[in-house]
Amino acid sequence: GDSVTQMEGPVTLSEEAFLTINCTYTATGYPSLFWYVQYPGEGLQLLLKATKADDKGSNKGFEATYRKETTSFHLEKGSVQVSDSAVYFCALIPPSGSARQLTFGSGTQLTVLP
Amino acid sequence: DTAVSQTPKYLVTQMGNDKSIKCEQNLGHDTMYWYKQDSKKFLKIMFSYNNKELIINETVPNRFSPKSPDKAHLNLHINSLELGDSAVYFCASTPSDGNNYGYTFGSGTRLTVV
Repeated sequence: GDSVTQMEGPVTLSEEAFLTINCTYTATGYPSLFWYVQYPGEGLQLLLKATKADDKGSNKGFEATYRKETTSFHLEKGSVQVSDSAVYFCALIPPSGSARQLTFGSGTQLTVLP
Repeated sequence: DTAVSQTPKYLVTQMGNDKSIKCEQNLGHDTMYWYKQDSKKFLKIMFSYNNKELIINETVPNRFSPKSPDKAHLNLHINSLELGDSAVYFCASTPSDGNNYGYTFGSGTRLTVV
């Protein structure tokens, strides 16, 4: 079945450091790919998405590129802030089928220190 | 405000009790979901309804029963609560072409069974 694998956390960085959170997926065809963010005590918010190969999703300084050849959707940010501390989830929706459920990776806890 | 709203936000109850969590969305979406997030932040789909019809029912104890009176509401009723049911439960919704849109999540209900 479809699955998403994320790098294990927790990840701790200093403010203004470069962030990469790795995400790879297993799916048939071309799924849609998403990054969600969960701030402490809150629900999940859509951070960015890409729906076809080579698309780049971007939002709030975060970017991720849909790489079909490596089945990856790594999240990057050039300079993190303390306010970016949260749990980040990579997710996919398969391209077809009657039940197109959103399947999540295990989440990566990011802590940014001042 | 347009949103997915869940009530209650916190629920503390004793083992053996029966409880319900309510979810409403005013986004005009056709499909609604319940997800369970465990203590390690792992998210797993429980149920999905499309226009009041059940389309996904993952391996969930039959003590859990979803009810959708209309396409804007999806409630979750839990009978004979157990310690292992303690988790955060998220409601979500999406339009029919959700593979391009992604899901909108509620802020979660933290259930604690004592």
